[in-house]
Amino acid sequence: ILNVEQSPQSLHVQEGDSTNFTCSFPSSNFYALHWYRWETAKSPEALFVMTLNGDEKKKGRISATLNTKEGYSYLYIKGSQPEDSATYLCAFRDPKLIFGQGTTLQVKP
Amino acid sequence: GAVVSQHPSRVICKSGTSVKIECRSLDFQATTMFWYRQFPKQSLMLMATSNEGSKATYEQGVEKDKFLINHASLTLSTLTVTSAHPEDSSFYICSAPGLAGARYNEQFFGPGTRLTVL
Repeated sequence: ILNVEQSPQSLHVQEGDSTNFTCSFPSSNFYALHWYRWETAKSPEALFVMTLNGDEKKKGRISATLNTKEGYSYLYIKGSQPEDSATYLCAFRDPKLIFGQGTTLQVKP
Repeated sequence: GAVVSQHPSRVICKSGTSVKIECRSLDFQATTMFWYRQFPKQSLMLMATSNEGSKATYEQGVEKDKFLINHASLTLSTLTVTSAHPEDSSFYICSAPGLAGARYNEQFFGPGTRLTVL
């Protein structure tokens, strides 16, 4: 059974803090790694699809890196804002999507 | 673009009744849709893949007679939880892939349905 782990499970930061969290996945037979942002009562929103070892992607204040050889991806948020509060999911493509449990971020004003 | 709607957003039913959940792709066609389930403090788990015009493919451990899937058109897939019991209480969410043929195509998700069986 393939396992995708995210850490930490939850995170509380102050507005303006930068933060990062981790997604660990199997390092063999890599297809792609997806990051989603999921706000309560809304649909998960696609952030990044990462496919190549060493990939770095950026969208505004959010960026992600990928290391397929060691099986991890980091998501970084620079200068967190209250509107960044959400659960961030990563999913390993197997080719079906296998999700981690998510990291729930709370940004206090 | 690439919006997926899901209805209802929340349903409470009595044990033994059947519940139908609809998943629609609003501005694109989807020959395939995916149904996931999430129990509290757990990750989204794929239940089945819905295929337009043919039978759904179920993941190991998911009862196909319990969770009936119909994908009758290119924009609508339905999941019916038959004879629901309290242990079926969960969060059900659907998704559809965009960009047909793209290798790493994104999946676009609906907002999910919270099912509570009393």
